[in-house]
Amino acid sequence: DIQLTQSPSSLSASVGDRVTITCRASQTISSYLNWYQQKPGKAPKLLIYAASSLQSGVPSRFSGSGSGTDFTLTISSLQPEDFATYYCQQSYSAPPERTFGQGTKVEIK
Amino acid sequence: EVQLVESGGGLAQPGGSLRLSCAASGFTFSSYEMNWVRQAPGKGLEWVSYSYSSGSPKYYVDSVKGRFTISRDNAKNSLYLQMNSLRAEDTAVYYCARENLSTGDAFDIWGEGTMVTVSS
Repeated sequence: DIQLTQSPSSLSASVGDRVTITCRASQTISSYLNWYQQKPGKAPKLLIYAASSLQSGVPSRFSGSGSGTDFTLTISSLQPEDFATYYCQQSYSAPPERTFGQGTKVEIK
Repeated sequence: EVQLVESGGGLAQPGGSLRLSCAASGFTFSSYEMNWVRQAPGKGLEWVSYSYSSGSPKYYVDSVKGRFTISRDNAKNSLYLQMNSLRAEDTAVYYCARENLSTGDAFDIWGEGTMVTVSS
């Protein structure tokens, strides 16, 4: 089974800060890595797919990079609406076991 | 509008059963793989089950194998999760999610979720 480890588990940041979240896979997953944002009481929302492709309608301050086992989600200038929990997910496995990372909570400093 | 709407959650006793439904609209349901994902209170997301577009094959996380069954009715644009032998640790919000090949098999559409509570 492929395990995903996110770091940090939580972080405090201010509006306008550059924020970086990392996700490490236990084995290579090529570029089959996705990022989601979840706000309290709401369903997750797809932000980035295939490691670096921005989902339609998602602001360009979000970006993703990486391949193989190490991946990064970057928010270039944190906005008030970005305070949320972020999850990575792999879609590489066959048979399909769509593992999620444990999440990173972005809080207001 | 592309939409997924879950229903069927509620309170069940340990060892009991529930059947969740997910109604799809606004897209060709029969063309997409579908998944169930759950989130226990205060915890992260956990993938639960996958259904190929035709209904087979199906896959499950180890913790629900033999107890949960995913199914779909493409004529009714609906996905289901039959949950038997429920345990306290199955308490969670259950989401259905569309898997999209054009987004690298990411989950691009999610329902709002339905709460399942397992307690005596």
